[in-house]
Amino acid sequence: DIQMTQSPSSLSASVGDRVTITCRASQSINTYLNWYQQKPGKAPTLLIYAATSLQSGVPSRFSGSGSGTDFTLTISSLQPEDFATYYCQQSASTPYTFGQGTRVEIK
Amino acid sequence: ELQLVESGGAVVQPGGSLRLSCAASGFTFDDYYMHWVRQAPGKGLEWVSLIKWDGVTTDYADSVKGRFTISRDNSKNSLYLQMNSLRTEDTALYFCTKASGDDFDYWGQGTLVTVSS
Repeated sequence: DIQMTQSPSSLSASVGDRVTITCRASQSINTYLNWYQQKPGKAPTLLIYAATSLQSGVPSRFSGSGSGTDFTLTISSLQPEDFATYYCQQSASTPYTFGQGTRVEIK
Repeated sequence: ELQLVESGGAVVQPGGSLRLSCAASGFTFDDYYMHWVRQAPGKGLEWVSLIKWDGVTTDYADSVKGRFTISRDNSKNSLYLQMNSLRTEDTALYFCTKASGDDFDYWGQGTLVTVSS
């Protein structure tokens, strides 16, 4: 199975900050990497697919980069509605696996 | 509007069985793979199972293989998860998700399964 490791597990940031979350795969997954946002009590929503493509309706302050084993989710200017938990997920092969999540909290 | 609505969650004893359902609307159901993903209380996301549009090709996480069965009824726009030999570690919120290529672009709100004596 492909293991996905996110860092950090949590972070505190202020509105307007630039935030970067990293995700590392245990083997190459090309660009089969997706990012999701989950707010408390809600279902996850898709932010980025295929490592770099912005899902329709998602604000352009979100961006994704990377290929192979190392990936990054960047929020260019953190907004109040962005405080949530973020998960990466590989779709290169089953079992599809998620990172453990990164909780973004208000500083 | 695209909707996925799960149902069937309940409290069940270890060793028991449960059948989850997911009613889909707002898209051509039989054009898409569908998946189940679960989340234990306070924990992360775990992929459980997938089913191809034809209902024939399926796949499972090792943790549920041999105990859970995914199925679909395209005439009813419905997805199912039959869960047998339930364990306490199966306690989770179960989400139905629609696949768009290699990602999960729509999720239901989930149905809670609690396995406890």
